[in-house]
Amino acid sequence: EAGVAQSPRYKIIEKRQSVAFWCNPISGHATLYWYQQILGQGPKLLIQFQNNGVVDDSQLPKDRFSAERLKGVDSTLKIQPAKLEDSAVYLCASSLGRQISEAFFGQGTRLTVV
Amino acid sequence: AQSVTQLDSQVPVFEEAPVELRCNYSSSVSVYLFWYVQYPNQGLQLLLKYLSGSTLVKGINGFEAEFNKSQTSFHLRKPSVHISDTAEYFCAVKGTYKYIFGTGTRLKVLA
Repeated sequence: EAGVAQSPRYKIIEKRQSVAFWCNPISGHATLYWYQQILGQGPKLLIQFQNNGVVDDSQLPKDRFSAERLKGVDSTLKIQPAKLEDSAVYLCASSLGRQISEAFFGQGTRLTVV
Repeated sequence: AQSVTQLDSQVPVFEEAPVELRCNYSSSVSVYLFWYVQYPNQGLQLLLKYLSGSTLVKGINGFEAEFNKSQTSFHLRKPSVHISDTAEYFCAVKGTYKYIFGTGTRLKVLA
């Protein structure tokens, strides 16, 4: 079974530039998560989709971050404009969508904002 | 609301020694509990999970964890660690639909 795919693996941008990350979840997984992991911290949920609807985006900085999940499959996370404090690893995860389902994670995208 | 506390940010241990990584949680509803491991430059990989039933849960790579409802704990243990166990370990709690992760414990296995 193919895992969660993310691209790119690494990205370096200057502050105020924009950046986009892509995630392809495991086939058949209804739930998709985007997490932000700052160095030395645990993952923090940014947004959770159930199919193509948003379940939770309470910690998404909506003035600069946006995410979409077209057709309930792939998802993109965008930051515009980026700030220095956005430097982090952005993890995508997916699950079957039932309460007992565990999340499967991609390898993440390491973003450095200079 | 749920929360997870991992009190130990780093745990150094010698190879072949036992280890325990502590996790405490708080929740007003029933939860499911998970331990994930993260190797450098990798995503998170599930070690084990507690959903219901037996409070002692066995996972991959020889790890096990015990769910203690009265103490709201879910500590991770391994009787004999290997150098390859050096990684970051995250405890997570899932309530209705959202995963909440702890801040992680860095396990450093020394030769």
